[in-house]
Amino acid sequence: DAGVIQSPRHEVTEMGQEVTLRCKPISGHNSLFWYRQTMMRGLELLIYFNNNVPIDDSGMPEDRFSAKMPNASFSTLKIQPSEPRDSAVYFCASTPGPGASTDTQYFGPGTRLTVL
Amino acid sequence: LAKTTQPISMDSYEGQEVNITCSHNNIATNDYITWYQQFPSQGPRFIIQGYKTKVTNEVASLFIPADRKSSTLSLPRVSLSDTAVYYCLVGDEAGNMLTFGGGTRLMVKP
Repeated sequence: DAGVIQSPRHEVTEMGQEVTLRCKPISGHNSLFWYRQTMMRGLELLIYFNNNVPIDDSGMPEDRFSAKMPNASFSTLKIQPSEPRDSAVYFCASTPGPGASTDTQYFGPGTRLTVL
Repeated sequence: LAKTTQPISMDSYEGQEVNITCSHNNIATNDYITWYQQFPSQGPRFIIQGYKTKVTNEVASLFIPADRKSSTLSLPRVSLSDTAVYYCLVGDEAGNMLTFGGGTRLMVKP
């Protein structure tokens, strides 16, 4: 299995631009998570889906952030408009289970976003 | 979710055994304890999970005392490649939204 796939691996954009991050979970996994990691705030859970349905988006920082999962094999995290404080590494993870705390999460390699 | 407390950083030398302790005073009856490892420029990776006493796998051991208010991740004979951040998490099968916290940054020196 190829594992969780994220694209792009690196993204540099200018403030105000729209940014779309993509994730392909491991085939057969039922839950998908989006995280953001910075030196100051550590690893933060933004949103997670179970069977393509958003279960909890309370970690999404503000309305500029949105996430979708149109099918079991694809998810996007969009930032519009982007701001310099959005610069971070964004990770996608998936689990075979319903997303319980005891499920093993499999993380992708991350997308390093830099907003100038 | 129960809050966890870990040392911010630890140093060790190659070949030594490393023990990282995590405090979780408010752990609930149904909570499990899970440890993840994160190498630089990579996503976290599951290491080990346990409920009580001792769990061992090919990577590490997890020691959990009877009161379960703390747990210790033990890495035998570390090498330079074990330099990473180690996260302790607690949660139950019905819970969600894992909280990773700051983790413990382990530096293994030659």
